[in-house]
Amino acid sequence: EAGVAQSPRYKIIEKRQSVAFWCNPISGHATLYWYQQILGQGPKLLIQFQNNGVVDDSQLPKDRFSAERLKGVDSTLKIQPAKLEDSAVYLCASSPYNYGYTFGSGTRLTVV
Amino acid sequence: DAKTTQPPSMDCAEGRAANLPCNHSTISGNEYVYWYRQIHSQGPQYIIHGLKNNETNEMASLIITEDRKSSTLILPHATLRDTAVYYCIVGAGGTSYGKLTFGQGTILTVHP
Repeated sequence: EAGVAQSPRYKIIEKRQSVAFWCNPISGHATLYWYQQILGQGPKLLIQFQNNGVVDDSQLPKDRFSAERLKGVDSTLKIQPAKLEDSAVYLCASSPYNYGYTFGSGTRLTVV
Repeated sequence: DAKTTQPPSMDCAEGRAANLPCNHSTISGNEYVYWYRQIHSQGPQYIIHGLKNNETNEMASLIITEDRKSSTLILPHATLRDTAVYYCIVGAGGTSYGKLTFGQGTILTVHP
């Protein structure tokens, strides 16, 4: 089975610029997650979708971060405007249940 | 979600068993123990999960104490490719759609 696809793999932007990340989950997985992983830390959940509805976005900085999941399949995560502290790896994961999360390889964002 | 405590780092000789401990003293009756690992520059990878019985799959074994307050992940014959950060996570049942909260994990280094 194909894995979780993410793009781009790397992105470097200046602070106050905008950036968007894309995720294509495993076919048939109803649940999609975006995680932020700062260097040296474990992944932190930003937002969870169930089909195309938001289940949990309590840790999403909504003043600058937004996410959507089109037609319950692909998802995009946007940051506008970016801050230096947003430098991290952004991981997308999908799952039919809690176990067996499949993660993508992530997008490494550097804000300069 | 219950919190977990793991040692920050461990070493293991190649070919020997790696035993990674995890304390989860506040685990509730319907919470599962999940193990994931993250190899450098990759997204986390699911290893195994369990509720109260010991579990084994092709990757590892999971031993959960009778009081469920701690568990041990066992890699029976560690290889250099098992060098990674190992995360022990406690979360909702396997067929629900809850989130998984990652801690700092244990950095396992397998040496020749």
